[in-house]
Amino acid sequence: EVQLVESGGGLVKPGGSLRLSCAASGFTFSTYSMNWVRQAPGKGLEWVSSISTSSRYTSYADSVKGRFTISRDNAKSSLYLQMNSLRVEDTAVYYCAREYCSGGRCYGVDDSWGQGTLVTVSS
Amino acid sequence: QVVLTQSPSASASLGASVKLTCTLSSGHSSYVIAWHQQQPEKGPRYLMKLNSDGSYNKGDGIPDRFSGSTSGAERYLTISSLQSEDEADYYCQTWGTGTGVFGGGTKLTVL
Repeated sequence: EVQLVESGGGLVKPGGSLRLSCAASGFTFSTYSMNWVRQAPGKGLEWVSSISTSSRYTSYADSVKGRFTISRDNAKSSLYLQMNSLRVEDTAVYYCAREYCSGGRCYGVDDSWGQGTLVTVSS
Repeated sequence: QVVLTQSPSASASLGASVKLTCTLSSGHSSYVIAWHQQQPEKGPRYLMKLNSDGSYNKGDGIPDRFSGSTSGAERYLTISSLQSEDEADYYCQTWGTGTGVFGGGTKLTVL
């Protein structure tokens, strides 16, 4: 069974930093691209960042570019999101998601989700 | 950049069927999308990947009541024999030029 478990959320002041982690199990982590998606209170889903299997390719939403860094450790089956210069508008539940990959190709959409971790940015 | 458009709300009666729509912006009618369900106070759940030819790949444990279809730039999610637990937000998702994209979501009310 695929499991994605996020951790690292919490309350942080504007301008502060936080590092989210996602522990993956139940599948061969190194063969899947991975994503972070967030959801502000009462709002819809917003794609944040993606990373390819070998970490060669990363991409970011304009809203977080230059402030957030996605990374992974395939040996530990773990995904990370380093968040710096946090803003009030970064307040959201952050989800780790596995990308749909089949036959050596990934399709840019997600087929498994974690339960999420809440990040609150407030003074 | 591709944009996904969804109606903000939909409603249907218990036991009936409902068809939700996700529209791809002009020039992107060949794109693959995914449908996700988010029940109140829960995280999203993957329902299916829907291809431009109308074929789809459902997630594990997704009931047969959920199906997908395609017409041009429109991507549909049909839920038949509606149950109370189907009351949820439904999101479509795709991949644009180097970025992920979500539709605004449709809130489904089961009457």
